[in-house]
Amino acid sequence: GNSVTQMEGPVTLSEEAFLTINCTYTATGYPSLFWYVQYPGEGLQLLLKATKADDKGSNKGFEATYRKETTSFHLEKGSVQVSDSAVYFCALSAPTGANSKLTFGKGITLSVRP
Amino acid sequence: DTEVTQTPKHLVMGMTNKKSLKCEQHMGHRAMYWYKQKAKKPPELMFVYSYEKLSINESVPSRFSPECPNSSLLNLHLHALQPEDSALYLCASGLVAQYFGPGTRLTVL
Repeated sequence: GNSVTQMEGPVTLSEEAFLTINCTYTATGYPSLFWYVQYPGEGLQLLLKATKADDKGSNKGFEATYRKETTSFHLEKGSVQVSDSAVYFCALSAPTGANSKLTFGKGITLSVRP
Repeated sequence: DTEVTQTPKHLVMGMTNKKSLKCEQHMGHRAMYWYKQKAKKPPELMFVYSYEKLSINESVPSRFSPECPNSSLLNLHLHALQPEDSALYLCASGLVAQYFGPGTRLTVL
């Protein structure tokens, strides 16, 4: 079956530090890959996505590249801000006809200190 | 409009109550989802509706009853819940990417 593995957390960084959150996946076929962010007390927001190999998703300074050869989709940001403190979920989508099933990683909590 | 809305934002109910959660989207998506999320965990899929028909039920207890009145609306009817059902209930819509609402924080006393 499909699975997503995220690096263990939590992660604490100082403001303006470089961020990398590792994500690897196992899937049959050609899944789409996503990063979702959840701020305290809120729902999940789609941060970025990539639908095929070598695609780079980007949004709000965050980037991730779909690497089929290493089955990875690592999230990076060059300079984090306090407002980036949240839980980050890596996920893959395997469409099954008229809908899809998301498989999530366990999530990682990021805390950014001033 | 890329928003999924959910009401109410918070709900407290006793184990004998009947209540409903509501979800609305105007993105033209024909697939809608209910998820349950416990603290510090990823969301768990409960139900999937495709073209207003229930297509996936992830072995959810019958005290949760979903309904899709039309292509924009999704309800979750709750009856005789248990304290362990307390969680954040999330609605989502979309096919390849799913777009989530803000959730309903449910507390069962």
